[in-house]
Amino acid sequence: SQQGEEDPQALSIQEGENATMNCSYKTSINNLQWYRQNSGRGLVHLILIRSNEREKHSGRLRVTLDTSKKSSSLLITASRAADTASYFCATDALRSGGSNYKLTFGKGTLLTVNP
Amino acid sequence: NAGVTQTPKFQVLKTGQSMTLQCAQDMNHNSMYWYRQDPGMGLRLIYYSASEGTTDKGEVPNGYNVSRLNKREFSLRLESAAPSQTSVYFCASSIQGSGQPQHFGDGTRLSIL
Repeated sequence: SQQGEEDPQALSIQEGENATMNCSYKTSINNLQWYRQNSGRGLVHLILIRSNEREKHSGRLRVTLDTSKKSSSLLITASRAADTASYFCATDALRSGGSNYKLTFGKGTLLTVNP
Repeated sequence: NAGVTQTPKFQVLKTGQSMTLQCAQDMNHNSMYWYRQDPGMGLRLIYYSASEGTTDKGEVPNGYNVSRLNKREFSLRLESAAPSQTSVYFCASSIQGSGQPQHFGDGTRLSIL
């Protein structure tokens, strides 16, 4: 079953605007990661935020995490046409058995940045 | 530096045929994963191998088998393909442990008629 759910499913903005995508999850996590997928390609890791962190920045990306609400947001500032892609959140929670960490991905947000 | 390489990139099969999807990584990662991606469903984990010599079922393992051939290679086999297995298949690898980013190949697009 899906752990993360992104919102909105699709987002269309103009170049230069900010884009915000949200992710909600159901169970306790060790950390949450965001990935990007360009059409026809594999996923690329963008940023990771640990369960004891509230906010993290990387270039034009800003990620927040609210463990009390079981939610995260990804903000892309000053968007560019090249940011057009699908964005996925993935949660990392310790499974039964001890050492087998694995990610559970949401269904993604399709971001379109119009020039 | 190739990263994660998947072969083939495209394949069309008839129902009941078998095939093996190949995956190799050159990053010396311990953990490797197979996912399928279907429209509106995101990525779902089929099987994973936390380290060489171990494999475990993921969320949707039925109809698939895997082999961790060595540290570099992790293959996915469809013994008797069904139309429901039409999908895009992604292989990924990572350093073993929590909080490690996964590195993905560019996928195999598989159609089963």
